[in-house]
Amino acid sequence: DTGVSQDPRHKITKRGQNVTFRCDPISEHNRLYWYRQTLGQGPEFLTYFQNEAQLEKSRLLSDRFSAERPKGSFSTLEIQRTEQGDSAMYLCASSLVQGAGAGNTIYFGEGSWLTVV
Amino acid sequence: AQTVTQSQPEMSVQEAETVTLSCTYDTSESDYYLFWYKQPPSRQMILVIRQEAYKQQNATENRFSVNFQKAAKSFSLKISDSQLGDAAMYFCAYKAGSARQLTFGSGTQLTVLP
Repeated sequence: DTGVSQDPRHKITKRGQNVTFRCDPISEHNRLYWYRQTLGQGPEFLTYFQNEAQLEKSRLLSDRFSAERPKGSFSTLEIQRTEQGDSAMYLCASSLVQGAGAGNTIYFGEGSWLTVV
Repeated sequence: AQTVTQSQPEMSVQEAETVTLSCTYDTSESDYYLFWYKQPPSRQMILVIRQEAYKQQNATENRFSVNFQKAAKSFSLKISDSQLGDAAMYFCAYKAGSARQLTFGSGTQLTVLP
């Protein structure tokens, strides 16, 4: 099964440290998304890529957050100078957009849990 | 801005019975898509069912069906013959036709009682 995979699954870090998460989307999926989910809430959109281009960023994505998708395949999400409020699960998702692509199905990974202590 | 509301934080159902999860949304768009996702304890979000707003017929996927009331902006999920494996957090999600991202509700935790 070549679903969306994320690494690491869990990360505990001290406040002020930098962390990086990696996402490998489903092969040949051209669109990749990052969402954040806190306990008891639904996922919130952070950003998305069409191939290697980052086309949209949410207001939730502060300047401490940066995402890349250098070759249009895997993506990384880096959080600099982590704060306790960054503790959440970071979900990656991907989809294959064909044509207008308005109704394309989005497939999610298992997420990366971040705990900032 | 679009919002998605799930007013039932928790629901329970007896195994083999039927349960309905509620979802309402607010939008001024005419072209949009609605989804129900399931998130079991393993945490991977799985698509359960989707509905295109332009389709009048309610979507059905095996034991899962929706009641899509466009005028009322309501999109409920019915699970028939509930199974223990259906226990999970269920999220209702909305996507405008012109948008790229999903907007999720806060979820309903479903417990299936043996």
